[in-house]
Amino acid sequence: GDSVTQMEGPVTLSEEAFLTINCTYTATGYPSLFWYVQYPGEGLQLLLKATKADDKGSNKGFEATYRKETTSFHLEKGSVQVSDSAVYFCALHGRGAQKLVFGQGTRLTINP
Amino acid sequence: SAVISQKPSRDICQRGTSLTIQCQVDSQVTMMFWYRQQPGQSLTLIATANQGSEATYESGFVIDKFPISRPNLTFSTLTVSNMSPEDSSIYLCSVEDPGLETQYFGPGTRLLVL
Repeated sequence: GDSVTQMEGPVTLSEEAFLTINCTYTATGYPSLFWYVQYPGEGLQLLLKATKADDKGSNKGFEATYRKETTSFHLEKGSVQVSDSAVYFCALHGRGAQKLVFGQGTRLTINP
Repeated sequence: SAVISQKPSRDICQRGTSLTIQCQVDSQVTMMFWYRQQPGQSLTLIATANQGSEATYESGFVIDKFPISRPNLTFSTLTVSNMSPEDSSIYLCSVEDPGLETQYFGPGTRLLVL
């Protein structure tokens, strides 16, 4: 079945550091790919998405590119802020499927 | 995107009791989902709430434990029945924009069972 694997956390960085959170997937066909963010005490917010190969999703300075050849959707940000501290989830939605498949989540802490 | 609210936002319950969680959406949606997020874990789909028919449950979840109602296209409830401490989790509802295959989530209900 479909699955998503994220880099293990927790990840701790200093403010203004470069961020990469790795995400790879296994799926039949061509799924849509997502990054969700969960700030402390809150629900999930859609951060960005990509629906086909080579698409780049971007939002709030975060980017991720749909790489079909490596089945990856790594999340990047050039300069992180303390306010980016949260748990980040990579997810996929199979074509014609009715549910999301989530990775295990990566907890990110940014120190001032 | 749809605006989703949940009630209650959090609760502390005694084992053996039941809690009903409400999910309200500000627009009509076809697909609604209920997820569980156990402490420090990822999200697990409990069921898909279908309007006008029974919910569709994922493996490991049963209707007797998690009865779901979906009386109309903007509202759903999830009941956690005969609770035990293992039911302590965040319960989230979501809705899907079918044309975009994108789900949006409510703020969650934080449940602690003592």
